[in-house]
Amino acid sequence: DTGVSQDPRHKITKRGQNVTFRCDPISEHNRLYWYRQTLGQGPEFLTYFQNEAQLEKSRLLSDRFSAERPKGSFSTLEIQRTEQGDSAMYLCASSSRGGAGDDTEAFFGQGTRLTVV
Amino acid sequence: QQPVQSPQAVILREGEDAVINCSSSKALYSVHWYRQKHGEAPVFLMILLKGGEQKGHEKISASFNEKKQQSSLYLTASQLSYSGTYFCGTEIGLNSGYALNFGKGTSLLVTP
Repeated sequence: DTGVSQDPRHKITKRGQNVTFRCDPISEHNRLYWYRQTLGQGPEFLTYFQNEAQLEKSRLLSDRFSAERPKGSFSTLEIQRTEQGDSAMYLCASSSRGGAGDDTEAFFGQGTRLTVV
Repeated sequence: QQPVQSPQAVILREGEDAVINCSSSKALYSVHWYRQKHGEAPVFLMILLKGGEQKGHEKISASFNEKKQQSSLYLTASQLSYSGTYFCGTEIGLNSGYALNFGKGTSLLVTP
């Protein structure tokens, strides 16, 4: 397994268009996360899946954002009616579930850089 | 709340040492450290757990002071490959899991 992969790596879109990103996690990982990173900032948590269930969404995630993880494998993040403020790097990460009190590291993909013009 | 990292930026010569600090206003269960090079994915370095357990990198060490809600990352005998932005992450408790709340990062440049 080569790690977490994301597609596309770069996306330029006009304001108001819809965009969809894909993330393929490490195959045995049941936890999947989406983060957003802007210049000079650390990644900000957006949403979390355990298997196919979306268990948590950040307040940062407006109604224009939706994420899915059908069958607990790959995930997609869709942004509808994009705005210039959506321009950012969208990072996907995955991890395996540890036992109680067992933190396991998250592995990040290289991200999709979105530019809204 | 976002953890606070210091310093914001460091420039070192190869072979010198550096310390990067991370502090939180909330009680910490664990601190996670990542390094990100320009245009690349953040790469896991270390987890420090309450109680003193560490998991991670062989050549980088770290401390975790639970009472002070602080962690420090120690980079000794720095190499050119250590250049990048270092992020600490503190846990956001979620429904059946956790995510990370990252600081703004510390930019490290190691020069020959």
